[in-house]
Amino acid sequence: QVQLVQSGAEVRKPGASVKISCKTSGYTFTSHYLHWVRQAPGQGLEWMGIINPTDATTYYAQTFEGRVTMTSDSSTGTVYMEVSSLRSEDTAVYYCARLGSGDGYSHWGQGTLVSVSS
Amino acid sequence: DIQLTQSPSFLSASVGDRVTVTCRASQGIGSYLAWYQQKPGKAPKLLIYAASTLESGVPSRFSGSRSGTDFTLTISSLQPEDFATYYCQQLNTYPHTFGQGTKLEIK
Repeated sequence: QVQLVQSGAEVRKPGASVKISCKTSGYTFTSHYLHWVRQAPGQGLEWMGIINPTDATTYYAQTFEGRVTMTSDSSTGTVYMEVSSLRSEDTAVYYCARLGSGDGYSHWGQGTLVSVSS
Repeated sequence: DIQLTQSPSFLSASVGDRVTVTCRASQGIGSYLAWYQQKPGKAPKLLIYAASTLESGVPSRFSGSRSGTDFTLTISSLQPEDFATYYCQQLNTYPHTFGQGTKLEIK
């Protein structure tokens, strides 16, 4: 079965960077784009961007352009997202997700909590 | 970017009630709309995609519909496990924006 397993919680100081991983299994890695979504405490869902594992092309939401970098490693079936210049407002749970058979994110990672505090 | 306006933001209802959540898109998105349910501490769960197609394994009391740029999620008879937050999402164009959410609480 399809599985997306994310790396563990992280704590960073303002101005630092963090890199989160999302290891996939149960399907052909290059067959589906991977999406990243975040959720600040008590807030709604915010779409961040996508990566095409086939050729590593990316598309980022304008809010994150220049501060987020998504990469992929086909040898391990893992995608990564790095967020730089962290600020307190970046404290959130970050999810990777994938479309299912239709146009909806049917597969999600368990989420990675990133806490940014001085 | 396409904006999705969900209403209401909060909804109080009882077990057995029929409830409706609406989502209005700022421009045409065809039927590229999905609905999710999220419980505290958990990842969202896909309920409906393509505006009205039920995801496999989702109870039939959930349904979705579309009228132009207005979309509706209906729960025909609320069950205790349905009390959660619901989000719509458009998948017509990037960024795949979400509505702000509707928190469904027990009356």
